[in-house]
Amino acid sequence: NAGVTQTPKFRVLKTGQSMTLLCAQDMNHEYMYWYRQDPGMGLRLIHYSVGEGTTAKGEVPDGYNVSRLKKQNFLLGLESAAPSQTSVYFCASSPVRGPRSTEAFFGQGTRLTVV
Amino acid sequence: RKEVEQDPGPFNVPEGATVAFNCTYSNSASQSFFWYRQDCRKEPKLLMSVYSSGNEDGRFTAQLNRASQYISLLIRDSKLSDSATYLCAVLATGGFKTIFGAGTRLFVKA
Repeated sequence: NAGVTQTPKFRVLKTGQSMTLLCAQDMNHEYMYWYRQDPGMGLRLIHYSVGEGTTAKGEVPDGYNVSRLKKQNFLLGLESAAPSQTSVYFCASSPVRGPRSTEAFFGQGTRLTVV
Repeated sequence: RKEVEQDPGPFNVPEGATVAFNCTYSNSASQSFFWYRQDCRKEPKLLMSVYSSGNEDGRFTAQLNRASQYISLLIRDSKLSDSATYLCAVLATGGFKTIFGAGTRLFVKA
């Protein structure tokens, strides 16, 4: 019963390096999200997807790109990491009941440090 | 103004106390509301949804006030295990995006 799985759990990057965070869900959810969580800021939405092949910008999309080539996977890319991107990243998915999504199910998070 | 605002706390209460948190939201067209619980260094998990009529789950009661645009969470008979951060969340118009508050920290002490 995996739910939402994020890879990796921890990572340290040097400024300017690139990386991809992988999120996989096995619940057949339509909607998937990437959030970052910083002290005192709560969860801020980076990008989201309402279905395979679709993506949209959230509150803080700059410096990030995403792709949803398969329904179960949602990738978050950092092309050139900056210290300001040091954060805890959470992926989430949610089912659709009627025309709207409902509660979100979260992965365990990725702790990223950019030095 | 943030779309969803919460008092960050911390709230320090003794075991057995009753504690209440409020959360305000700015978009009057918001459709669904939730309370999540987040333990230290863990992911958020749904605590309860908030319905227009209010709902109760054991020691937890959630209420929605659309006129004043806030939701509340009441915890009765606090336990040590209730210590956590409580996040309110609002499903934005269109139903695609869930917006979270910054969270309220609760410490329950023996």
